[in-house]
Amino acid sequence: EPEVTQTPSHQVTQMGQEVILRCVPISNHLYFYWYRQILGQKVEFLVSFYNNEISEKSEIFDDQFSVERPDGSNFTLKIRSTKLEDSAMYFCASRNGQNQPQHFGDGTRLSIL
Amino acid sequence: AQSVTQLGSHVSVSEGALVLLRCNYSSSVPPYLFWYVQYPNQGLQLLLKYTSAATLVKGINGFEAEFKKSETSFHLTKPSAHMSDAAEYFCAVSERGGYSSASKIIFGSGTRLSIRP
Repeated sequence: EPEVTQTPSHQVTQMGQEVILRCVPISNHLYFYWYRQILGQKVEFLVSFYNNEISEKSEIFDDQFSVERPDGSNFTLKIRSTKLEDSAMYFCASRNGQNQPQHFGDGTRLSIL
Repeated sequence: AQSVTQLGSHVSVSEGALVLLRCNYSSSVPPYLFWYVQYPNQGLQLLLKYTSAATLVKGINGFEAEFKKSETSFHLTKPSAHMSDAAEYFCAVSERGGYSSASKIIFGSGTRLSIRP
């Protein structure tokens, strides 16, 4: 069964540094998402992406965050200047059509030192 | 605005006993409803979904959930718990929309299910 794949599985970065989290959605999917889960808390929506532009973003997704689909297969989340509170598990998801569920990757654990 | 409330952050049952995880939703439009499971140090796996067909939805691993509009509930059940069911379970809601709608998922705070031998 096709899967959403995320790399790396664990990223350790110094505070203030830029980080890029990578995702390869399922190949025929059209909608792409990033979520995050701070340790011990619930999963929170960050941003959705469709037709090469952001469809919706949450209040968490401030100017430090950006997303890109650079080559038709990858979907990236960039954090420009990381803060300690950015430490979390970041999940990528994708879905195909209107009635289809989102499929999640296994996540990237981001640790900011 | 949509929201999901999961009653009970931790549920413990004996192996072989009934599992019941409670979820109530709030939505101003007809929702899609989901249950996801998260095993330790793993991602989110879809257990089952409700998208307006049958109100009793069967999922993987013997789980099922019933959509009750009058009660705005979508409780998850399994007749007989197995040790491998120990995990975190998230109820979630998504807005139905047109084909261009991004339809983000709103997750509940999760219920940790423990199974006693």
